[in-house]
Amino acid sequence: AQSVAQPEDQVNVAEGNPLTVKCTYSVSGNPYLFWYVQYPNRGLQFLLKYITGDNLVKGSYGFEAEFNKSQTSFHLKKPSALVSDSALYVCAVRDRRVDYKLSFGAGTTVTVRA
Amino acid sequence: NAGVTQTPKFQVLKTGQSMTLQCAQDMNHNSMYWYRQDPGMGLRLIYYSASEGTTDKGEVPNGYNVSRLNKREFSLRLESAAPSQTSVYFCASSEMEGLTDTQYFGPGTRLTVL
Repeated sequence: AQSVAQPEDQVNVAEGNPLTVKCTYSVSGNPYLFWYVQYPNRGLQFLLKYITGDNLVKGSYGFEAEFNKSQTSFHLKKPSALVSDSALYVCAVRDRRVDYKLSFGAGTTVTVRA
Repeated sequence: NAGVTQTPKFQVLKTGQSMTLQCAQDMNHNSMYWYRQDPGMGLRLIYYSASEGTTDKGEVPNGYNVSRLNKREFSLRLESAAPSQTSVYFCASSEMEGLTDTQYFGPGTRLTVL
């Protein structure tokens, strides 16, 4: 079985400070990992994904994520947060060996204060 | 490109009523998906369609039916709505049913069953 955990329901940061949103996963094989962002009353928007290769993945809007196999983590980061980054961030995983669909985390609500 | 569109945006039903949620994509994607999103939980797959003419059950298919009308459209039907089906429903599409493929989401339908 595959699963995703986002240990923090909420993250609050000041504008200009670094932002980190945590994600850990559990799969039997090697994972494909995704980050999405959801603004109020909107669908999920794709930010980035890890397939293979470089453990540091760069995505949209200045976000990046680091794949750490030993810690089974895929934390999302942004060096300098903006107020407009306030949203729900959702991590998802897919087991490479399983022809099935994505498993999603419950999401982390990020609030960036001016 | 509108991407993935869903109708209606909001709906209130009484227990036992039926309705169909509509989804369309204009990205020429082969695969389409229906998810539900409940507070404190990750998105859960209801049904998916790997390609035109095929549909398969996801994690939580009970109480739902789907129709892949053509390559563009994928509808979700509630035959006899129950309060447990109160949720936000998202449609998504991807180019292929590949493990690395990115899914793109519609804006959602917020359904309340009284």
